[in-house]
Amino acid sequence: KAGVTQTPRYLIKTRGQQVTLSCSPISGHRSVSWYQQTPGQGLQFLFEYFSETQRNKGNFPGRFSGRQFSNSRSEMNVSTLELGDSALYLCASSATSDLHEQYFGPGTRLTVT
Amino acid sequence: GQNIDQPTEMTATEGAIVQINCTYQTSGFNGLFWYQQHAGEAPTFLSYNVLDGLEEKGRFSSFLSRSKGYSYLLLKELQMKDSASYLCAVYGQNFVFGPGTRLSVLP
Repeated sequence: KAGVTQTPRYLIKTRGQQVTLSCSPISGHRSVSWYQQTPGQGLQFLFEYFSETQRNKGNFPGRFSGRQFSNSRSEMNVSTLELGDSALYLCASSATSDLHEQYFGPGTRLTVT
Repeated sequence: GQNIDQPTEMTATEGAIVQINCTYQTSGFNGLFWYQQHAGEAPTFLSYNVLDGLEEKGRFSSFLSRSKGYSYLLLKELQMKDSASYLCAVYGQNFVFGPGTRLSVLP
């Protein structure tokens, strides 16, 4: 069974631009969660989708948004990029709605200059 | 709100046993998770506790006391490849990760 895939793996953007990151969960998994990881703040929860519905959202500004498609693939969008948005963005999928046993993708390394 | 504390760093010797503690304060509780993360890689799931007690999984065991807001991860027969960061995470209102404990296993 293929693991969680994320595209692109690396991305460089300029302050003020917007970016869209993609995540394909493990086949059969319906829950997708997004996280931001930085050296200073560690791993922080962004939001979680289950069956195309956002069920939980972390404490991030409205510039961070996401969606999930009927095939469970998910996208995350960040608008008006700031230097502080530079981070590793991780996506994780889970077979169940209680997030038991999440499997993480390799992440997208975003650098904002 | 939710708050999770873990020791920043620990060192142990190959073949030994190490216990990594995690204390938490959370609004609501739906489970406590432990993840392993090697440098430059994504976290991988190790264990899940929702009820008090010990969960054993090979060389790894995890303990939970909900009344004390306390958990620990026990690693036995340490190997060099166990050198990694260990993240404690609590699923309350949201999924919150602790800062991680960097474990170094020495020969």
